Amino acid sequence: GAVVSQHPSRVICKSGTSVKIECRSLDFQATTMFWYRQFPKQSLMLMATSNEGSKATYEQGVEKDKFLINHASLTLSTLTVTSAHPEDSSFYICSASARLGTSGSDEQYFGPGTRLTVT
Amino acid sequence: SQQGEEDPQALSIQEGENATMNCSYKTSINNLQWYRQNSGRGLVHLILIRSNEREKHSGRLRVTLDTSKKSSSLLITASRAADTASYFCAPQPGYSSASKIIFGSGTRLSIRP
Repeated sequence: GAVVSQHPSRVICKSGTSVKIECRSLDFQATTMFWYRQFPKQSLMLMATSNEGSKATYEQGVEKDKFLINHASLTLSTLTVTSAHPEDSSFYICSASARLGTSGSDEQYFGPGTRLTVT
Repeated sequence: SQQGEEDPQALSIQEGENATMNCSYKTSINNLQWYRQNSGRGLVHLILIRSNEREKHSGRLRVTLDTSKKSSSLLITASRAADTASYFCAPQPGYSSASKIIFGSGTRLSIRP
């Protein structure tokens, strides 16, 4: 089946620094990728929708200048948390949808997540 | 996009018993997917059922869909300790998987040994 990877799986950074998280579709082309954030014991909250070659669409309440999303190719989207603060500590998960006909199905595939800790 | 609401929020059963969780949604859909999330991990796709299907099986999983009631159920038979996880449904209105998924709270399933 289709595989989505994320890198890094865990990252610890100091307050005020920026962190980049990568999301890759390994064996299919993803025209659309989604970024979610999950706090402990809570559900996944959609942050933004990322389309290849265009600007991301952010959900209400998500600061676009703080969470920079770049979807430069059909297999890679990146999320950069700028000037991170302790309250940004969370589990970040991406998902990718396949261009119809490439993966043979219309499921969304999720990455394993990245745990960010800001000290 | 639309959000599915899972019920119950939490379910604890004895190993070997069957677990049933339900999902309700509000508008018409093209398909509905079920996902599992183990603690601290990403989501695993379990099964997709299309709007013209009423029931689908995959191993110990059985999913039903009632579009007239806008509801779906996930049955896990002969539960195992490894089934302990949170389960989410994802109703998708569009014909493309690019429809965003808004997750509900999920059902937290605990299997007692």
